[in-house]
Amino acid sequence: NFMLTQPHSVSESPGKTVTISCTRSGGSIASNYVQWYQQRPGSSPTTVIYEDNQRPSGVPDRFSGSIDSSSNSASLTISGLRTEDEADYYCQSYDASTFLFGGGTKLTVL
Amino acid sequence: EVQLVESGGGLVQPGGSLRLSCAASGFTFSSYDMHWVRQATGKGLEWVSGIGTSDDTYYLGSVKGRFTISRENAKNSSYLQMNSLRAGDTAVYYCARDNGGTGNFDLWGRGTLVSVSS
Repeated sequence: NFMLTQPHSVSESPGKTVTISCTRSGGSIASNYVQWYQQRPGSSPTTVIYEDNQRPSGVPDRFSGSIDSSSNSASLTISGLRTEDEADYYCQSYDASTFLFGGGTKLTVL
Repeated sequence: EVQLVESGGGLVQPGGSLRLSCAASGFTFSSYDMHWVRQATGKGLEWVSGIGTSDDTYYLGSVKGRFTISRENAKNSSYLQMNSLRAGDTAVYYCARDNGGTGNFDLWGRGTLVSVSS
C-alpha cells in the first residue's frame, strides 16, 4: 500500500508561478508514472500532465510536471497564472495494479 | 465524437444493488483498459476498479467482493455491478479510459450519481 499526500490548498496571484507537491509514502515516486488532473467545479477531471512530465495536446506549456527522487515527490508547476486555472488538482499514480489519487489541492488565483 | 457516457445510477437502500454502464464511442474500445472512479460530494477522487484488455480486473480493497467490473467489447461498454451497497458508497461514479496502460486516464464521462440511503 502507498499514499499520495498533497497540500489541501494553495493560493497565488495572477501572473505568478505556483507549485503543487505530491509526496509518495510507501514505495518510490520514480517506480510508477504520476499523472495530474484538473477539475473545475461541476466538471469531470481532465489530464494536465501524464507520465510524470508529458503534456497532452491542448494543455498550455504553462503547465509542467516533474519528479524528485530525493524527496520522493512529484510536482505540478503552473506559471503565468490565470484566473481560469483556479480549480482542484489531483496527482495520481499506481502500484501493483492499484491506482491511487492524492487528496487534491484547491488552487485559488486571486 | 470520442466520448464516454455513464448510466444506471440512482437511489438504493443499504444492502441493495445497482449496475452501472459506461458506453464508449469514437474510439477502438477493445484496445483500452477501462476504470471506474468515484467522488463523494465535496470530496476527492477515489479509484474504484479497473479492467484490462485481457479482462484482468482490479479493485479498491473496500469494494472487493462486493463490486464486479466487466466489459463487452461488442457493445463498446464497461459495467460495474455493485452489491451490498453501503452509505459510504454514495458518490458520483465516473468511467475513465486508460491511455497506454500507465494510469493516464485521458477520457472521462460526466458521471452518474449513486445514492445509498434508507
